[in-house]
Amino acid sequence: GAGVSQSPSNKVTEKGKDVELRCDPISGHTALYWYRQSLGQGLEFLIYFQGNSAPDKSGLPSDRFSAERTGGSVSTLTIQRTQQEDSAVYLCASSSGTGESGNTIYFGEGSWLTVV
Amino acid sequence: AQSVTQLGSHVSVSEGALVLLRCNYSSSVPPYLFWYVQYPNQGLQLLLKYTSAATLVKGINGFEAEFKKSETSFHLTKPSAHMSDAAEYFCAVRYTGFQKLVFGTGTRLLVSP
Repeated sequence: GAGVSQSPSNKVTEKGKDVELRCDPISGHTALYWYRQSLGQGLEFLIYFQGNSAPDKSGLPSDRFSAERTGGSVSTLTIQRTQQEDSAVYLCASSSGTGESGNTIYFGEGSWLTVV
Repeated sequence: AQSVTQLGSHVSVSEGALVLLRCNYSSSVPPYLFWYVQYPNQGLQLLLKYTSAATLVKGINGFEAEFKKSETSFHLTKPSAHMSDAAEYFCAVRYTGFQKLVFGTGTRLLVSP
């Protein structure tokens, strides 16, 4: 596609439920990133994929958070047993190559998650 | 530790005035540096980036930034603010050997008529 596509754009869920957020990166981009943006916390890195592998998942806040990427393309971020503090905008991004040359990282519009 | 500091969570200017948004990084090795803009309810859009080709980098919408190694800074400027520049601006850094972008806390630019 023309840009990074994320779905759903908005999600309201009850505390304790599981949610899945989807990201479709720019076609041909091998690197994919998940970030979280919340009030008071700024932009937090969650996980980085190169192809289907995740060499850096250091930002995942707890074992309730997981992500996978299949076919070197679409990625899914799953949050189990959601808590109110999980409410945030989840941003997906992608880039070509490994980034050593300063490749631009392109961001999607985000998935707004509200846990009630 | 990889970090980037943006001074001032809010900056207010009048339309037509100079815009200066500050960004400092913490490293003895120059990293790759980026400025992103976020309009309300939208994702992040790249304004410009420094990748060591030139210290003065020009971006979209009339913005530019100068890399100063001696000051470990990458401040964003625009000679004349426009109402449409009102948004949140993020400085980000990527260090060699690391893939992730590390973001500053952001600066909200307010432009008054």
